[in-house]
Amino acid sequence: EAGVAQSPRYKIIEKRQSVAFWCNPISGHATLYWYQQILGQGPKLLIQFQNNGVVDDSQLPKDRFSAERLKGVDSTLKIQPAKLEDSAVYLCASSTDTDTQYFGPGTRLTVL
Amino acid sequence: GDSVTQMEGPVTLSEEAFLTINCTYTATGYPSLFWYVQYPGEGLQLLLKATKADDKGSNKGFEATYRKETTSFHLEKGSVQVSDSAVYFCALRVSGSARQLTFGSGTQLTVLP
Repeated sequence: EAGVAQSPRYKIIEKRQSVAFWCNPISGHATLYWYQQILGQGPKLLIQFQNNGVVDDSQLPKDRFSAERLKGVDSTLKIQPAKLEDSAVYLCASSTDTDTQYFGPGTRLTVL
Repeated sequence: GDSVTQMEGPVTLSEEAFLTINCTYTATGYPSLFWYVQYPGEGLQLLLKATKADDKGSNKGFEATYRKETTSFHLEKGSVQVSDSAVYFCALRVSGSARQLTFGSGTQLTVLP
């Protein structure tokens, strides 16, 4: 079974530029999560989708971050404009109705 | 709010040494508890979990027991290997409709041959 796919793996941008990350969850997983992991910290949930609806986006900085999950399958997370403090690893995870979340390898973003 | 506090690292051990990584939690409800492991260059993987008090999760020689009275979920392994070198995250999830995980800050483990 294929795991959670993410791209790109690495991205370097200047502050105030825009960037987008892509995630393809495990086939059949209805729930998709985006986490932000700042160096030296644990992952922090940004947004959770159930199929193509948003379950929780309370920690998403909506003035600059947006996410969508069209057709309830793959998802895109966008940052516009980026700030220095957005430098982090962005993790995508998916799950069924069980407790287990399956994580992708992450996208490491560096904002200069 | 919900939170997880982990033993600060990094931790460096010799091969075959005994490992303990401490984890304590604060939760508004009755949580499920998890240990995730992140090997270099890879995503997080579930290592083990426990869903109720006194449950013991185990996998790959690692164990952790859900202690409600001390709000703890310490990770242990009797004999570590070089291949266990990774970052270990303790996490909780409070029951409810959303299945969000709250993570600790992670503990870097290095095992030397």
